[in-house]
Amino acid sequence: GEDVEQSLFLSVREGDSSVINCTYTDSSSTYLYWYKQEPGAGLQLLTYIFSNMDMKQDQRLTVLLNKKDKHLSLRIADTQTGDSAIYFCALWGDNQGGKLIFGQGTELSVKP
Amino acid sequence: DAGVTQSPTHLIKTRGQQVTLRCSPKSGHDTVSWYQQALGQGPQFIFQYYEEEERQRGNFPDRFSGHQFPNYSSELNVNALLLGDSALYLCASSFRAGADTQYFGPGTRLTVL
Repeated sequence: GEDVEQSLFLSVREGDSSVINCTYTDSSSTYLYWYKQEPGAGLQLLTYIFSNMDMKQDQRLTVLLNKKDKHLSLRIADTQTGDSAIYFCALWGDNQGGKLIFGQGTELSVKP
Repeated sequence: DAGVTQSPTHLIKTRGQQVTLRCSPKSGHDTVSWYQQALGQGPQFIFQYYEEEERQRGNFPDRFSGHQFPNYSSELNVNALLLGDSALYLCASSFRAGADTQYFGPGTRLTVL
């Protein structure tokens, strides 16, 4: 089945850029999402990219997709302490029907 | 515009009991998906309901069942609770099943003692 992997932890200084990476195995994924989860809360949709795109920018967020290497990344510019949370990449494709396949999440810690 | 709502927020049960969790989708959405998120893990798909039918199911036993009502709200039922069922249960809503973006509720934290 589909496998989605993320590094578990990332620590950055306030004001720096953060880059969170995700690798996957199923090349048929059509939509690739980034969700944010704060402690004790549900998932907040941050952004998504369609598989025929290489890049998408949305204010401080930049998503890069390398389909050849099956690699997805989320860059957060000017990272703030309020960005501290767990970030999940999630994939949807025709092979998955209605379900999203999630990575295990990357915990971002932003130090002042 | 209300987002996805879930109730209750927290729940404590003992092994062997049964539990029912509830979800109301975002306005305009007709599809509800349920996910289980164990501590320190990513969410795992349980099943999806559309047009009051279970459309797809993940790798969960029959102890997990659901229902969707004509107003698109949904229930998740878990029978014969095990300690391992302790998790955050997330509901997501979308439009017309399939590729539409899923929006998540705040979740129900279930603790089984």
